[in-house]
Amino acid sequence: QSVLTQPPSVSAAPGQKVTISCSGSSSNVEKNYVSWYQQLPGTAPKLLIYENNKRPSEIPDRFSGSRSGTSATLGITGLQTGDEADYYCAAWDSSLSVGMFGGGTKLTVL
Amino acid sequence: EVQLVESGGGLVKPGGSLRLSCAASGFTFSTCSMNWVRQAPGKGLEWVSSIDGSSGYICYADPVKGRFTISRDNAKKSLFLQMNSLRAEDTAVYYCASEVVSPSTYDYWGQGILVTVSS
Repeated sequence: QSVLTQPPSVSAAPGQKVTISCSGSSSNVEKNYVSWYQQLPGTAPKLLIYENNKRPSEIPDRFSGSRSGTSATLGITGLQTGDEADYYCAAWDSSLSVGMFGGGTKLTVL
Repeated sequence: EVQLVESGGGLVKPGGSLRLSCAASGFTFSTCSMNWVRQAPGKGLEWVSSIDGSSGYICYADPVKGRFTISRDNAKKSLFLQMNSLRAEDTAVYYCASEVVSPSTYDYWGQGILVTVSS
């Protein structure tokens, strides 16, 4: 059971916007940076968002991140069929001194 | 270009041992913390272990504590994971991941290596 809680699945139509939530606690999401990863089928995860809301240079601005208290959110606008993937949030837990991932959210672009 | 290449995976019997390696290039390896992350078949990502650049700060997930040992050789730009007393539940694809851009951010990943624990 993941300590960071994500919805198992979300879906939306091409061109629409979707958000994926990540709920944690005061020792992980609230205290430390949250990052987000995209995993396309059969491939290694790829960094999308780091330090809550920063994007690596190669990531389009359709992807955004935010954090408020013990929750973080990944937003994707202008959905494309190529965005269909599993998305994971992650944060360090300072109390347990362990890394944590959310359980993952499967995005379906209808 | 950053590259991480894992090796050493394979089939091992329960109770057996295996040593994974990760060869790094394209960044200043000695100053970056490194991690092992695994993914069981059809499951999500699970953080396994991390080690800082000087090998002075090492952490493990509870399921592997006491059985797995992370280490690194900065001269050879290599990361290792010694896995002992392997169990069926350790079956997974193992990824090495770097923290180049920001602490606790897994910014670059290897292609992954499959470890299968089965009799």
